[in-house]
Amino acid sequence: DSGVTQTPKHLITATGQRVTLRCSPRSGDLSVYWYQQSLDQGLQFLIQYYNGEERAKGNILERFSAQQFPDLHSELNLSSLELGDSALYFCASSLLGGGDTQYFGPGTRLTVL
Amino acid sequence: GIQVEQSPPDLILQEGANSTLRCNFSDSVNNLQWFHQNPWGQLINLFYIPSGTKQNGRLSATTVATERYSLLYISSSQTTDSGVYFCAVVRTSGTYKYIFGTGTRLKVLA
Repeated sequence: DSGVTQTPKHLITATGQRVTLRCSPRSGDLSVYWYQQSLDQGLQFLIQYYNGEERAKGNILERFSAQQFPDLHSELNLSSLELGDSALYFCASSLLGGGDTQYFGPGTRLTVL
Repeated sequence: GIQVEQSPPDLILQEGANSTLRCNFSDSVNNLQWFHQNPWGQLINLFYIPSGTKQNGRLSATTVATERYSLLYISSSQTTDSGVYFCAVVRTSGTYKYIFGTGTRLKVLA
C-alpha cells in the first residue's frame, strides 16, 4: 500500500458528461501529480501541484482541470467527456515535488460510453 | 518534440537470469525516471537518474546524458519482476516536457 488513495476506483459515464476524480496524497507529501494511461496514447503526464500551486503542466486538455486544496488533496475534473477519454487515471504524490520518489495510487478507471 | 524509445518491447526470461533494458531519447533532458508497472497495474517509481549510476537491491540504472540513453539492469530476476518497465524524461527549459516511453514488457518464468 503506497499510502495514496484515489476515489472512485471505477467510473462509467456517458459522452458529454462531467466527472471528478479525487486523490489523497501520502501524509506529509506536498506534491501531487496526475497521469492518464490509455491503450492509444500510453502513459501521459497531465499536471503537477505543489502545496496548492500548479508547478508543471503536461498534455492536459482544456476540457480537463485540476486543483490542490489546502488540506493537500487534489481533484481532477473532466468535462464534455468523449469516448477517447476512457482511460486509467493515476495520481501520485511526493514530498518535495522535484527529483524525489513518487508514490502512486491504485488509479481510477474511467469508461465513457 | 522529444522522442523516447525503449527496447526491447518484449522480453521473456527464466528466473535467475539477468537483463538490460534500454531507453533512448532524442534531445537533452533535465531528468530521467524509471517506473515499473506490475501485472495488477500498480506503478512504482524505481529511479530518478539524470546522470550517473544508482543501485537499489537487484536493480541498477545508468544514464549517459551526453549520449542520450539510459539502461536499467535487473539481476537474478524473480517472477515478481514481471510487468512493464517505463522510462520517462523531463525537460524543464523552454516549454516543460515530461514524456514517457512505450515500455518494455517483461515476463519472468519460474
